Amino acid sequence: RKEVEQDPGPFNVPEGATVAFNCTYSNSASQSFFWYRQDCRKEPKLLMSVYSSGNEDGRFTAQLNRASQYISLLIRDSKLSDSATYLCAVRKSGGSNYKLTFGKGTLLTVNP
Amino acid sequence: GAGVSQSPSNKVTEKGKDVELRCDPISGHTALYWYRQSLGQGLEFLIYFQGNSAPDKSGLPSDRFSAERTGGSVSTLTIQRTQQEDSAVYLCASSPSFEGYTFGSGTRLTVV
Repeated sequence: RKEVEQDPGPFNVPEGATVAFNCTYSNSASQSFFWYRQDCRKEPKLLMSVYSSGNEDGRFTAQLNRASQYISLLIRDSKLSDSATYLCAVRKSGGSNYKLTFGKGTLLTVNP
Repeated sequence: GAGVSQSPSNKVTEKGKDVELRCDPISGHTALYWYRQSLGQGLEFLIYFQGNSAPDKSGLPSDRFSAERTGGSVSTLTIQRTQQEDSAVYLCASSPSFEGYTFGSGTRLTVV
């Protein structure tokens, strides 16, 4: 089983739709979780961290389910500008090693 | 600087030549990472530097790849005797500690 797995999509949704992505991780000792957004031919950019209690930033909500070992990203009222690849990232526990392991990403296209 | 700076942004080289890729992290960030991303693929971890600790080289794909970080700041990734399969975008990132990374805009390497 891969360390971090995502549904590659593509997800094609109309403007205004709600869309959700899941990301599963294999190491139960994982400590930190993040969602990144990557536009075509650009570098990934941090979208939000994922906290145990769940967190929200405007139209974006991230949740963590430790029992089932997955994180999720919910986008409400999607905009054309939300079209991008969404990458999840997981940091394992272990001293001072801050290395992140990334999923391969989920491609989202929001259509007019 | 304000962000992570990488140079060159694009590099075309002949098979068998050596190349050097440079990364200037965000000032004060103790951790520096190199990843690569091939077309349509996920982010592949290469190497990680943390302060004065020995680097985590576990992701380097072969002994043709090496990296150094001088003075806890600028890092250089060197690929010797380049092969066509080395063609990819090489991304550098830095982070203060347990936070998410900030990526540079990458070096697009093409081996012909």
